[in-house]
Amino acid sequence: GESVGLHLPTLSVQEGDNSIINCAYSNSASDYFIWYKQESGKGPQFIIDIRSNMDKRQGQRVTVLLNKTVKHLSLQIAATQPGDSAVYFCAENIRGTSGSRLTFGEGTQLTVNP
Amino acid sequence: NAGVTQTPKFQVLKTGQSMTLQCAQDMNHEYMSWYRQDPGMGLRLIHYSVGAGITDQGEVPNGYNVSRSTTEDFPLRLLSAAPSQTSVYFCASSTGGLAKETQYFGPGTRLLVL
Repeated sequence: GESVGLHLPTLSVQEGDNSIINCAYSNSASDYFIWYKQESGKGPQFIIDIRSNMDKRQGQRVTVLLNKTVKHLSLQIAATQPGDSAVYFCAENIRGTSGSRLTFGEGTQLTVNP
Repeated sequence: NAGVTQTPKFQVLKTGQSMTLQCAQDMNHEYMSWYRQDPGMGLRLIHYSVGAGITDQGEVPNGYNVSRSTTEDFPLRLLSAAPSQTSVYFCASSTGGLAKETQYFGPGTRLLVL
């Protein structure tokens, strides 16, 4: 399953399928990106990050892809499990004159059906 | 380590009341921040601190005050609560700097202002 985070904030997939969650970021000067997972009633939890000098980074069952040309970030989850059900946020680090600051997207709700 | 802790977990206030949301971390992180989370708007930065004695405004600072007298604690004060401040508040900490932008979030405080 695939979603565009800002336009389709929900994604429903079957257990065992691969999930793709997308995020469009706003600032071409952003140099660092993070994906967070937030389960119901809990704070966001770091999943994976990527710097702007990379276009792909892999973790355990997760891969982040960065396309700077179109300012697009995606999170791929392999073999999605019921425990992956959560809201997923992308965040971009924008460096300004007063320092760096993280800006978060609104999130995508991922629901995994058994 | 307990990580980032927040108290209280839930709070109901009447308009005009004041209160302090507590945040503490035991990871010796220099960087601490406060966010509010509202439906459809993602996480928005209220105030942040790059170290003891230093604070700065984020994206939505109005109606909130902070102080950072120690590395461990970063309380958020609402001087005169308004219904628009009904939200979920998250405190986060990190080591700071480009190499360690990953923020660790507390469990959140749910605030309802009547």
